[in-house]
Amino acid sequence: SQQGEEDPQALSIQEGENATMNCSYKTSINNLQWYRQNSGRGLVHLILIRSNEREKHSGRLRVTLDTSKKSSSLLITASRAADTASYFCATAAREGAQKLVFGQGTRLTINP
Amino acid sequence: DSGVTQTPKHLITATGQRVTLRCSPRSEDLSVYWYQQSLDQGLQFLIHYYNGEERAKGNILERFSAQQFPDLHSELNLSSLELGDSALYFCASSATGDSPLHFGNGTRLTVT
Repeated sequence: SQQGEEDPQALSIQEGENATMNCSYKTSINNLQWYRQNSGRGLVHLILIRSNEREKHSGRLRVTLDTSKKSSSLLITASRAADTASYFCATAAREGAQKLVFGQGTRLTINP
Repeated sequence: DSGVTQTPKHLITATGQRVTLRCSPRSEDLSVYWYQQSLDQGLQFLIHYYNGEERAKGNILERFSAQQFPDLHSELNLSSLELGDSALYFCASSATGDSPLHFGNGTRLTVT
């Protein structure tokens, strides 16, 4: 079964608004990563947060990690039409960190 | 451009056939990962190689096999193909098992 599960499955907002996506996972992790995928293309790494970190920023992206709740969130501020894509969280388990397990993704649509 | 090259981009073949997908990782990366992405199963981890050695195995069918060569390129062999094997197959590379993945643009396999 998938380690990471994103919520919501789909999100549609207006340009300029903030978008928040959530990810829950099941086992202890070494790190959690967020990736973006444009339709039919390869995934692009956005940000990595380690298990001993609680928050991380990169440009308009803000990621939080709550290991007690086994959850993470990705916030995209001031969204743009170009942010339209699918967003995936991926977890590297503390045991067997050699494989990165992806969730089903959130499909984000930014309406102009 | 991620620096990861996958060939071919598209492959159409018949049931029962065998195909080989090829991946050239970024020059500085020793790790290669293979993933299968289908509409109903999402992004499934298949296998991970590090410097020529298998490090982790996921939901890889016995009909599938992979290897990483001394020059670090990798091949994924799919045999006795079934209709359900139709999917996007991604290769990704990373410097270590704990660093972000860099994905190729995938091989779209269609089994008819």
